[in-house]
Formats: sequence, C-alpha cells, structure tokens
Amino acid sequence: DIQMNQSPSSLSASLGDTITITCHASQNINVWLSWYQQKPGNIPKLLIYKASNLHTGVPSRFSGSGSGTGFTLTISSLQPEDIATYYCQQGQSYPLTFGAGTKLELK
Amino acid sequence: QVQLQQPGAELVKPGASVKLSCKASGYTFTSYWMHWVKQRPGQGLEWIGEINPSNGRTNYNEKFKSKATLTVDKSSSTAYMQLSSLTSEDSAVYYCAKGEYGNYEFAYWGQGTLVTVSA
Repeated sequence: DIQMNQSPSSLSASLGDTITITCHASQNINVWLSWYQQKPGNIPKLLIYKASNLHTGVPSRFSGSGSGTGFTLTISSLQPEDIATYYCQQGQSYPLTFGAGTKLELK
Repeated sequence: QVQLQQPGAELVKPGASVKLSCKASGYTFTSYWMHWVKQRPGQGLEWIGEINPSNGRTNYNEKFKSKATLTVDKSSSTAYMQLSSLTSEDSAVYYCAKGEYGNYEFAYWGQGTLVTVSA
C-alpha cells in the first residue's frame, strides 16, 4: 500500500496568515493527489484534484502543487471558515489511501 | 444536483450483519463508480472499495475484503454495502462517495451512516 505522510499533524495560525501543509507519498504517485477539507461534524469536501486543480466552487486562496512523491496545500490569507482538518489522498494505485490529517486551529 | 442519500444511523449487535444503502440522484448512476469510505470517531479516512454500477465490477481494499460486500440496484440507483461479523472495531461512520474526474477523486459524498455495534 502507498503510505501518505502528512505534516504537520496540527497547526496553529492567525487570520490572514499563509499556511502550508505537506504530504509525502511512499511511492511515485505522479499527480494523482487530492486534498480534502473536513469540518467537525461535516462530510469531507474536495478542494484540489490532480495535485494542483481547484475543484469547482473552491476559493482561489486554496492552491496545490507537487508531483511524484512530494505535495503541498497552501491556504493564503486564512479565513475563519478555513478552520478544519485537511487530508491528502492518492489515486495512483489500489488501495486508495489518505493521509492521517492536519488539524488547523486558530492561534 | 448530485445527491447521495444515506440513512443517519444503524444500531447492530456484535456478530450481526448490516446492509447500508446509498441512493443516488441528479446524475446517470451507471456512469460513475461508487466508493465507500470508513471514518471511526475522531479518526481519519479509510477507503473500503468501489463498485461500477453499470456492470457490478468491484475493487476492494484487501483489509476489508472479508468484511464488506458492495452491490448495486440499477433500477433504484442505489448502492449497498453489507458489513458482516460486526465488532466494536466496525463502529464508525460509513460514507458513500461518487468518483469524479479520474474516478479517484470524491467530489460528492453522502452524509454518512453512523454504525454503532453494541449489545
């Protein structure tokens, strides 16, 4: 199975900050990497697909980059509604696997 | 609009089985694979498997091969997942999710069914 290692596991930031979450795959996954946002008690929401493509309706302050084994999710100008847990997920090979999540909190 | 409707909760006894449903609407059911994802309370996401509604072909996470069985009913646009020999480790929220883009991205999710395994 491809392991997805996310860091940090938790992050405190202030409104207006730019934050970066990283995801490292244990094998080459090309660009088959998605990012999800999940708020407490809510379902996951797709943010980014194919490493850098913004899903419909997602604010442009979210961006993704990377290929191969290293990927990043960047949130520019952090907003209150961005407080959530973020997961990466690979779609290169079965079984599809998720990172353990990064919990983003307000400082 | 795409909707995936799941029952909110199921209470089942240890050792029993349960069949979860996911009724799809707003798109052509047979054109997209349906995935199932497990999330234990306060934990991360685990992919269980996927089913192609047009022909019933399935792919499972090896971890869940003896636990989960995926089926569909094309006539009602409903996907099902049966979980067998339930233990406390199976207590979790189970989501169905529609494959999108390259199939392996989950743009649409059901609200999830909370399965509680308790005597």
